[in-house]
Amino acid sequence: EVQLVESGGGLVQPGGSLRLSCAASGFSFTTYWMTWVRQAPGKGLEWVANIRQDGGLKFYLDSVKGRFTISRDNAKNSLYLQMNSLRAEDTALYYCATSRDTAGGPYWGQGTMVTVSS
Amino acid sequence: QAGLTQPPSVSKGLRQTATLTCTGNNKNVGYEGAAWVQQHQGHPPKLLLDRNHNRPSGISERFSASRSGSTASLTITGLQPEDEADYYCSAWDSTLSAWVFGGGTRLTVL
Repeated sequence: EVQLVESGGGLVQPGGSLRLSCAASGFSFTTYWMTWVRQAPGKGLEWVANIRQDGGLKFYLDSVKGRFTISRDNAKNSLYLQMNSLRAEDTALYYCATSRDTAGGPYWGQGTMVTVSS
Repeated sequence: QAGLTQPPSVSKGLRQTATLTCTGNNKNVGYEGAAWVQQHQGHPPKLLLDRNHNRPSGISERFSASRSGSTASLTITGLQPEDEADYYCSAWDSTLSAWVFGGGTRLTVL
């Protein structure tokens, strides 16, 4: 069974940091680009960042460049998102997903909620 | 980052056909096409078609995609109650070096 399980979300103050993790199983992790997509409460989907199979190429949404870092550990079948200098507008449900000829899919996690508030 | 344009809502009757549109430019939709995901309230998105119009395993053939220039379309035939959901298109933008999403279309099945 394919599973993507995100963790690490929570409540953080503006300017704070969080590290999201995504544990993958049931498919060949090393053959997929991986991506983070977020969804603010009541809003649409927003792509955040993605990373190539070998970790050697990464792309970011303009508004998170310099603040967020995507990484992966293929030995652990895991994806990460280090989020620094968090802002209120980063508040969202963060999804981990595979990415093959799409911003996200075919595999998606259930998401982990990040709330940035004082 | 500029997104793609989708109509906020579309309503169609049961067993009818719905066509949802997604308009971009020649640096995104017109460059390599658009993918489509479906999202039911409170659930993660589900990929329906990638930008090459391929359906993942388990996705009904009632869902199909096409493109004309910088406008992509998702067609859903034989509408069923379970098709009532939000639909998002996405495309790689070669200028931004980023994926961009449309704002989403809420489909109501009457």
